[in-house]
Amino acid sequence: EAGVAQSPRYKIIEKRQSVAFWCNPISGHATLYWYQQILGQGPKLLIQFQNNGVVDDSQLPKDRFSAERLKGVDSTLKIQPAKLEDSAVYLCASSSETGRGHGYTFGSGTRLTVV
Amino acid sequence: AQSVTQLGSHVSVSEGALVLLRCNYSSSVPPYLFWYVQYPNQGLQLLLKYTSAATLVKGINGFEAEFKKSETSFHLTKPSAHMSDAAEYFCAVSSGGYQKVTFGTGTKLQVIP
Repeated sequence: EAGVAQSPRYKIIEKRQSVAFWCNPISGHATLYWYQQILGQGPKLLIQFQNNGVVDDSQLPKDRFSAERLKGVDSTLKIQPAKLEDSAVYLCASSSETGRGHGYTFGSGTRLTVV
Repeated sequence: AQSVTQLGSHVSVSEGALVLLRCNYSSSVPPYLFWYVQYPNQGLQLLLKYTSAATLVKGINGFEAEFKKSETSFHLTKPSAHMSDAAEYFCAVSSGGYQKVTFGTGTKLQVIP
């Protein structure tokens, strides 16, 4: 089966600019996650979708970050305006189950550098 | 609240030696526990998971982990390290609904020829 697709792989922007990332989960996976991984740290959950509804966005900086998952399939994550501290790898993951204990399938991530 | 602590941000072993990566967890309910591996410039790949069945869990690439409730630990082991095992390893815990998962800070494994 095809994996989780993310684009772009790399992005360099200046601070205060905007940027968007795209994720296409594994077909049929109802649950989709966006994680932020800062260099030297573990991934931090930004937002979790169940189909096209938001389950958890408690750690999403809503003044600058937004995400949507139209039709319960693809998702986009946007940052506007970007700050230097947003430099990180943004990982998308999906899962077929809603219950606990099911591992995720991750995409390769988008590496964002804000200069 | 849930958390994991990975002891040692960097671990070096000789090729053929035992690999031991340490993880301790904190959870208010019986946890589900995971180990993921991340190769350079790639996403995370699930190595193995504990879901309250057998306490000794076998994963891919010869890795295994043992859940020890009394020690709140879930250490990852492999009897004999290969050069291809060099990567970063993340321990993770889930104790909430909707699969909320918290990751540790990771351990970079270096394998010395």
